[in-house]
Amino acid sequence: DAKTTQPPSMDCAEGRAANLPCNHSTISGNEYVYWYRQIHSQGPQYIIHGLKNNETNEMASLIITEDRKSSTLILPHATLRDTAVYYCIVRTSNQGGKLIFGQGTELSVKP
Amino acid sequence: IAGITQAPTSQILAAGRRMTLRCTQDMRHNAMYWYRQDLGLGLRLIHYSNTAGTTGKGEVPDGYSVSRANTDDFPLTLASAVPSQTSVYFCASSLERGDNEQFFGPGTRLTVL
Repeated sequence: DAKTTQPPSMDCAEGRAANLPCNHSTISGNEYVYWYRQIHSQGPQYIIHGLKNNETNEMASLIITEDRKSSTLILPHATLRDTAVYYCIVRTSNQGGKLIFGQGTELSVKP
Repeated sequence: IAGITQAPTSQILAAGRRMTLRCTQDMRHNAMYWYRQDLGLGLRLIHYSNTAGTTGKGEVPDGYSVSRANTDDFPLTLASAVPSQTSVYFCASSLERGDNEQFFGPGTRLTVL
């Protein structure tokens, strides 16, 4: 898996957009970018993934740069319940489904 | 059952004792995984199973064993627990090997004294 780098922590005001960056400069052509989050005392939760096009679902948007060396997860209107650790993971789709979680970004949404 | 469940929720165990953590999913997922989560180390894969009847080693398999007798169940056994196995254990599943989305259970908090 390509190595990812994320800031250890970020703050965001409730109702504002939360933009979480991730660097993956060694990503290879067949590797996807996945985002998970873990709310305190719960199991991790899948959010979104993409290969090279921007993606959007009911939870978030994923913006991947043209060179694919970095990406940004956007929570458009953060709520207090979005306070969690967010993990950016890069992997191929055929390597046994083994997710390798790094340290992630601890997002604190404040009122 | 809806999704993936784990039992027990938490356990305190004396060192040297045998312990089995249970994991059951009702989504008919082929692939299942066991992770442990420790402060400062993130989530690490212990063992996995791509389909019933097969298992494989993850990053930190020593001291743990698994079995996959059927699709739904994937128990994790500590044959002789040691304090370094104190951790939060998460079971996960995905539809197929290498699938995009893994579903995680609520976790088991294990303390080995």
